[in-house]
Amino acid sequence: EAQVTQNPRYLITVTGKKLTVTCSQNMNHEYMSWYRQDPGLGLRQIYYSMNVEVTDKGDVPEGYKVSRKEKRNFPLILESPSPNQTSLYFCASSTSGLADDNEQFFGPGTRLTVL
Amino acid sequence: AQTVTQSQPEMSVQEAETVTLSCTYDTSESDYYLFWYKQPPSRQMILVIRQEAYKQQNATENRFSVNFQKAAKSFSLKISDSQLGDAAMYFCAYRSFLNNAGNMLTFGGGTRLMVKP
Repeated sequence: EAQVTQNPRYLITVTGKKLTVTCSQNMNHEYMSWYRQDPGLGLRQIYYSMNVEVTDKGDVPEGYKVSRKEKRNFPLILESPSPNQTSLYFCASSTSGLADDNEQFFGPGTRLTVL
Repeated sequence: AQTVTQSQPEMSVQEAETVTLSCTYDTSESDYYLFWYKQPPSRQMILVIRQEAYKQQNATENRFSVNFQKAAKSFSLKISDSQLGDAAMYFCAYRSFLNNAGNMLTFGGGTRLMVKP
């Protein structure tokens, strides 16, 4: 089954304790992104990757890191989480093909609470 | 940069009735895509309908249809014969025709739809 998986689905942590949220897709997609969802603001892109070892900042990158060492995986790293990073996080992937065909596939979301 | 605005934070509809969710956007591009996503309590993002800006005809998917007004930069979603399962958060989203920023989607703030039995 074609899917994007994220782990963990729920996480409660404390300020300053490094954490990683994993994302994996099995569709051989070139593009992957991380979004955060906050009330009234919708989803906003944090980082994206257009291929292995190619990453760039989205609209809200402060406090986050990413890496793309393998095509299927795109982990999100919070080196020193702060309470303002409490949010719902989504990983998404899509192809780099013709614009009409490259629908975004979303993971199930990760609810992060930073105390 | 593009922006997407959903001016109705909450809407309610009686079961079997019709409801329209509003969305406006701002862009200087001539080619782009517009989407409506549904997010039920499970939090999964579900694509409801897609509109290509270069197409004149409004997109339709079963009970879901859009009213796309390119000149007015308006993209509303009409849900006919509303069902209890339609209760969810609905997001309007914009994507450039170009494959920039990893096909980044720009989202509106969302509209929470409640369906009354």
